[in-house]
Amino acid sequence: AQSVTQLGSHVSVSEGALVLLRCNYSSSVPPYLFWYVQYPNQGLQLLLKYTSAATLVKGINGFEAEFKKSETSFHLTKPSAHMSDAAEYFCAPAGLTGGGNKLTFGTGTQLKVEL
Amino acid sequence: ETGVTQTPRHLVMGMTNKKSLKCEQHLGHNAMYWYKQSAKKPLELMFVYNFKEQTENNSVPSRFSPECPNSSHLFLHLHTLQPEDSALYLCASSQDPGQVGSEQYFGPGTRLTVT
Repeated sequence: AQSVTQLGSHVSVSEGALVLLRCNYSSSVPPYLFWYVQYPNQGLQLLLKYTSAATLVKGINGFEAEFKKSETSFHLTKPSAHMSDAAEYFCAPAGLTGGGNKLTFGTGTQLKVEL
Repeated sequence: ETGVTQTPRHLVMGMTNKKSLKCEQHLGHNAMYWYKQSAKKPLELMFVYNFKEQTENNSVPSRFSPECPNSSHLFLHLHTLQPEDSALYLCASSQDPGQVGSEQYFGPGTRLTVT
């Protein structure tokens, strides 16, 4: 079964600083991996998706993530944080179960951006 | 309307009430999902429907009763809920339930408070 660990339930950065949100997955097979973002009072929005085509994946709003098999990691980064990036971020590996396509969500990381 | 919509956005109900949550997807997808999002807990998958057929029930109490009349609509019927059922209920859809890595698109959620 897939599992995921997001280190740091809260991350605070200054506006303009590097954003680094950590995700480590546990799986016996090469995964599909997603990052989703949830803004206050909204549902989850897809940021980016890893499908093994390339290890560096670019997403929306300037975010990107690098798949490192040796480290079983898929950390999310953005070179320069903006106030509008304040949200909760979820890492989720995907797998097939008897019920079909299934995402296993991490506990999330709340990103705070300060002036 | 585009994407995935959910109504109502907010719901307050007593423990003896019966209410229903509605989800509609306008994406032509074939799979629909109900998730529960509680504070300080990972997103919990509740039910999965593929081509209108329920394919997963993640040990959800019977006071939650899903209904999927067609591939575009999903309901969650609620009765005799408990205060611990208060949460954000998210609906999602995906194109191909049998394809691992198929993105899930989320609605804005229904914030449920049980008094």
